[in-house]
Amino acid sequence: KNQVEQSPQSLIILEGKNCTLQCNYTVSPFSNLRWYKQDTGRGPVSLTIMTFSENTKSNGRYTATLDADTKQSSLHITASQLSDSASYICVVLNNNDMRFGAGTRLTVKP
Amino acid sequence: KAGVTQTPRYLIKTRGQQVTLSCSPISGHRSVSWYQQTPGQGLQFLFEYFSETQRNKGNFPGRFSGRQFSNSRSEMNVSTLELGDSALYLCASSVTGTSTDTQYFGPGTRLTVL
Repeated sequence: KNQVEQSPQSLIILEGKNCTLQCNYTVSPFSNLRWYKQDTGRGPVSLTIMTFSENTKSNGRYTATLDADTKQSSLHITASQLSDSASYICVVLNNNDMRFGAGTRLTVKP
Repeated sequence: KAGVTQTPRYLIKTRGQQVTLSCSPISGHRSVSWYQQTPGQGLQFLFEYFSETQRNKGNFPGRFSGRQFSNSRSEMNVSTLELGDSALYLCASSVTGTSTDTQYFGPGTRLTVL
């Protein structure tokens, strides 16, 4: 079983709408959690990095939350744009080990 | 500042051959990490180099190896290629490679093994 589970697997929303992507993990001990955006055919781009003590972190229209007690994180996208269409990958670091989620494929339609 | 560059961008090889991929990190970055990405397995960590030393290693067979040069440029080598090695190989650089250090990814090298 993957130690980092992302949901939904894919999502289609209309431009201008908000959406929330989920990441549940069982990785322990926990060092930090990262969200990446990956456009098709390109390398991932870092959106946020959150340590154990951080509950929320924003990067423009992207806001990540972390509940270390329940081992859950979410990525909220506000006022979606067509350029938000991409895969969003959650990565959990355990000291020197990295565990990747399978990603959520987001499609924003006009 | 130039981003992370990877060469070549696309590569086609046959089973049994070997391949060398190159990664030039962002100037001033001393940590370089390599990842394999496939539709079935997603992103998987291969290894990380810092100051010419392999600091961390993922769970890949010994056919996968790498090195880092004094200018922080890194190469990854895969010997005795198998069909399952077909993947997008990504490299990422960061200043120190610590857990909270932002990584910057290159565009990747698409390797196809026939």
